[in-house]
Amino acid sequence: AQRVTQPEKLLSVFKGAPVELKCNYSYSGSPELFWYVQYSRQRLQLLLRHISRESIKGFTADLNKGETSFHLKKPFAQEEDSAMYYCALRRDGATNKLIFGTGTLLAVQP
Amino acid sequence: DAGITQSPRHKVTETGTPVTLRCHQTENHRYMYWYRQDPGHGLRLIHYSYGVKDTDKGEVSDGYSVSRSKTEDFLLTLESATSSQTSVYFCAISSPGQGEVTLHFGNGTRLTVT
Repeated sequence: AQRVTQPEKLLSVFKGAPVELKCNYSYSGSPELFWYVQYSRQRLQLLLRHISRESIKGFTADLNKGETSFHLKKPFAQEEDSAMYYCALRRDGATNKLIFGTGTLLAVQP
Repeated sequence: DAGITQSPRHKVTETGTPVTLRCHQTENHRYMYWYRQDPGHGLRLIHYSYGVKDTDKGEVSDGYSVSRSKTEDFLLTLESATSSQTSVYFCAISSPGQGEVTLHFGNGTRLTVT
């Protein structure tokens, strides 16, 4: 079965420190991976998708098929990055269903 | 923001009563989803729809039913609410794309079952 694991419920860092939010997945096919973010009092929204290989708000994520990981990284955290982050997986094929991880709350301290 | 409206935004109900949550979209997107968000569980898919009158179960569908009689509306019904169904419910929409899927979420409905 497909599964997305985010081992950290809470990650607390100081402003300016590097950030790495961990995401591991289990799926034998070719998945699509995503990061969604929910800022306080805002809707859940897409942050990154691995296919685009883009950097959004300074965040990047590389799909590592050997380690089945899709960790989210940012070299210098900002207070406005504080939010709940969810990693999500879509199986290859026709399905449009996403499987989400349990989420990591990032708290950036001043 | 994508045109997605969930109603009600908050609801308190008693165990054993039926509850219906509504999701309305103005984007004419084909796919609609209901997720629940719980601490320690993240977001879990309840049901989804891939067209009018076309629905399928997600990973936590027991105790829930859905209906989609027109493109813009997707209803989630708790036939007989239980305390374990206290949660925040999110509706999402998406269009099938070329190799990519982006979900657009509503603001959520906070349901408390007493």
